[in-house]
Amino acid sequence: EDKVVQSPLSLVVHEGDTVTLNCSYEVTNFRSLLWYKQEKKAPTFLFMLTSSGIEKKSGRLSSILDKKELFSILNITATQTGDSAVYLCAVAGVYGNKLVFGAGTILRVKS
Amino acid sequence: NAGVTQTPKFRILKIGQSMTLQCTQDMNHNYMYWYRQDPGMGLKLIYYSVGAGITDKGEVPNGYNVSRSTTEDFPLRLELAAPSQTSVYFCASSYAGANVLTFGAGSRLTVL
Repeated sequence: EDKVVQSPLSLVVHEGDTVTLNCSYEVTNFRSLLWYKQEKKAPTFLFMLTSSGIEKKSGRLSSILDKKELFSILNITATQTGDSAVYLCAVAGVYGNKLVFGAGTILRVKS
Repeated sequence: NAGVTQTPKFRILKIGQSMTLQCTQDMNHNYMYWYRQDPGMGLKLIYYSVGAGITDKGEVPNGYNVSRSTTEDFPLRLELAAPSQTSVYFCASSYAGANVLTFGAGSRLTVL
């Protein structure tokens, strides 16, 4: 059974800090890993990673995948209060038509 | 462009009642999904569909039914509501399977 484990479950930081969120996975015939941000409503897409070692970047957010060690990290630099959200990681296998989500990491950024 | 539209946004049901959560998308996506989200539990897949007339079970299908008569619509039916079905339900769609999902705004259901 495909499985996604995110850590930490929650964390609180101050504005300006850098945070690293972790996602480890077990999936049959891995195809892709996706990161979503959820702020009290529907999740919104951040990144999709398919190749190991290639960093995806968008502003202060970046993510990288390690297919050998079966994990991904999401980095947020110079955090702002608007980064407060639940960050969800999901994986898909080659033969599946669905995403399996982790429980999420709750991030709270204090001003 | 409406994207994925879910109704209702909120609903309170009594134990044993039935209801249908509606979901429609206007992006001509073949794949549609229903997830439920409980506090601290992430998103659990209930049912999904890869095209009109085709549906399949996800991780937590018990107590739910779906149909997919058109590409646009994917309603989720609760036949005998139970307190364990209190949750937030998200409908989503994608052009290709297990790809970037577009989510609806969610439906908060409480069963008392």
